[in-house]
Amino acid sequence: TQLLEQSPQFLSIQEGENLTVYCNSSSVFSSLQWYRQEPGEGPVLLVTVVTGGEVKKLKRLTFQFGDARKDSSLHITAAQTGDTGLYLCAGALWVSSGSARQLTFGSGTQLTVLP
Amino acid sequence: KAGVTQTPRYLIKTRGQQVTLSCSPISGHRSVSWYQQTPGQGLQFLFEYFSETQRNKGNFPGRFSGRQFSNSRSEMNVSTLELGDSALYLCASSFTAGQGASEQYFGPGTRLTVT
Repeated sequence: TQLLEQSPQFLSIQEGENLTVYCNSSSVFSSLQWYRQEPGEGPVLLVTVVTGGEVKKLKRLTFQFGDARKDSSLHITAAQTGDTGLYLCAGALWVSSGSARQLTFGSGTQLTVLP
Repeated sequence: KAGVTQTPRYLIKTRGQQVTLSCSPISGHRSVSWYQQTPGQGLQFLFEYFSETQRNKGNFPGRFSGRQFSNSRSEMNVSTLELGDSALYLCASSFTAGQGASEQYFGPGTRLTVT
């Protein structure tokens, strides 16, 4: 069972459409990050959200952290073909009696934007 | 500045063999984390090193080990390879210790195939 559930797993849309990807958990995270990964490359950090209810915008991408810091969403407005990729959320949890912080990744959402 | 480099990029090994993967972090970064990425399990944390000390370890068997050198370069070793070890192994570097605390920069990964 994944600690972080992402939905949908796969999403195929036309250029210009809007979409939302969700990341849900029963755990409370100290911070949550979103990454995008393209084939043959490592994930690239898009944003870090820290405060419950926080909203961050990165051009056409809007990220929201849930009030209880257990969930997050990524909304893309007017998707472009360049947005195609694997989107990963990752929550940071304190482990080892609070001595270390560890990232747990969601299973990912494979987004394909068609021209 | 140069990004995170991983060598080799591709590797084919036989069951029972051992393998060593190398990661050179971004200059000035002292934290290196290792992850295993597979289609079934997604991205899973292996271990994190900071200033030559292992700070945190994921839930992997003892066949997986790592180390960090004084120049922050890191290696991970997998002994007695199994078919299920076939995966993309990613390393990520950051300036400070503690995942989720500062931006992690991922390398392109090493694609390991075990036959």
